[in-house]
Amino acid sequence: DTAVSQTPKYLVTQMGNDKSIKCEQNLGHDTMYWYKQDSKKFLKIMFSYNNKELIINETVPNRFSPKSPDKAHLNLHINSLELGDSAVYFCASSPRVGSEAFFGQGTRLTVV
Amino acid sequence: AQSVTQLDSQVPVFEEAPVELRCNYSSSVSVYLFWYVQYPNQGLQLLLKYLSGSTLVESINGFEAEFNKSQTSFHLRKPSVHISDTAEYFCAVSEALGNQGGKLIFGQGTELSVKP
Repeated sequence: DTAVSQTPKYLVTQMGNDKSIKCEQNLGHDTMYWYKQDSKKFLKIMFSYNNKELIINETVPNRFSPKSPDKAHLNLHINSLELGDSAVYFCASSPRVGSEAFFGQGTRLTVV
Repeated sequence: AQSVTQLDSQVPVFEEAPVELRCNYSSSVSVYLFWYVQYPNQGLQLLLKYLSGSTLVESINGFEAEFNKSQTSFHLRKPSVHISDTAEYFCAVSEALGNQGGKLIFGQGTELSVKP
């Protein structure tokens, strides 16, 4: 059983389109995150949710909108995609705020 | 605010040789420390963590790291590496009290390349 799963694994789309990435965790964790890994493999937090409530929004453009329908899911919707949005997006979850995070396999987004 | 510096972007080493991947952090508060490994086209896997207690922590596959508060370091070591250890390794820190939402601050990564 996959602990943190994301779909899709690969996403190729044109500039200006709107797309969503879904994330689900079956670990029973209260805290979930979205991270972005750029082409140089640098990882940066985007959002953090605890018990479905947003607790971190790390100065991400408002074209990015996370949604947490329940504690097990944290989806990421991106409007008006730009070339610079191309990256690998990782979903993660933690048993408690500040502790270790468990990562999904990532979604490689390519905007053309 | 915390920051993490991984001092080597690439570390080439021969199989069965020892290796050390260096990590330094800065923080004004107590921190938790982590090492993650990323194999090509995969997600990050937790290798080991320091939350409290013994400053020497070990993983199941032979890696160890030592938390040194005075030197603000958390270097990763393995006495004898295998080809299969070839991967990207990330050091990360989070604020122990979780006041910053528990976010992990990552270093730039170190590419470990094990050659036969």
